[in-house]
Amino acid sequence: NAGVTQTPKFQVLKTGQSMTLQCAQDMNHEYMSWYRQDPGMGLRLIHYSVGAGITDQGEVPNGYNVSRSTTEDFPLRLLSAAPSQTSVYFCASSSLTGTYGYTFGSGTRLTVV
Amino acid sequence: QQPVQSPQAVILREGEDAVINCSSSKALYSVHWYRQKHGEAPVFLMILLKGGEQKGHEKISASFNEKKQQSSLYLTASQLSYSGTYFCGTASFGSARQLTFGSGTQLTVLP
Repeated sequence: NAGVTQTPKFQVLKTGQSMTLQCAQDMNHEYMSWYRQDPGMGLRLIHYSVGAGITDQGEVPNGYNVSRSTTEDFPLRLLSAAPSQTSVYFCASSSLTGTYGYTFGSGTRLTVV
Repeated sequence: QQPVQSPQAVILREGEDAVINCSSSKALYSVHWYRQKHGEAPVFLMILLKGGEQKGHEKISASFNEKKQQSSLYLTASQLSYSGTYFCGTASFGSARQLTFGSGTQLTVLP
């Protein structure tokens, strides 16, 4: 089925560990982004990309890295996990025009202990 | 800057109407509306573009007042399936693809 696939769905990390959240889409969307969702704060933009090889920072980029080597994949790396990074992470994609809205992945629930 | 949504929560009986508002301090290029059910991903409802007309399908519609940088989502004759959290996402000129989301409006429809 066409869409955005995120893995893993759940993850528990210890403080200081690193990990990569995977995101892949098969809709040939140029635009991809990562959001974190915390209670009462809506969705906040971490990083985004407008195409392979092009990435930029969003509202809350500290502690996260991204790369975009292909149109399909947009992984999010946590460099050294902190309890403040406990959150639900969503990957989203859209066409560059954005006129059909974002398609979101099912999310990754991350807990840092 | 995050758009402001109001109300934060609303409880309805099936068949009643609701309006959710979204207001931004920036000049807006577009406004998106999404619905998120508990434990699930947000799902796109509609987009309103600067200069565009009111959008809608079935009993959910929205408007966009460009001069006031405001959008409203209208849910008429609400159904149980309308329950969820509604988010507006706004894009400003110069960053038309980046959405900044409001904190959400929790809508509960009771039988």
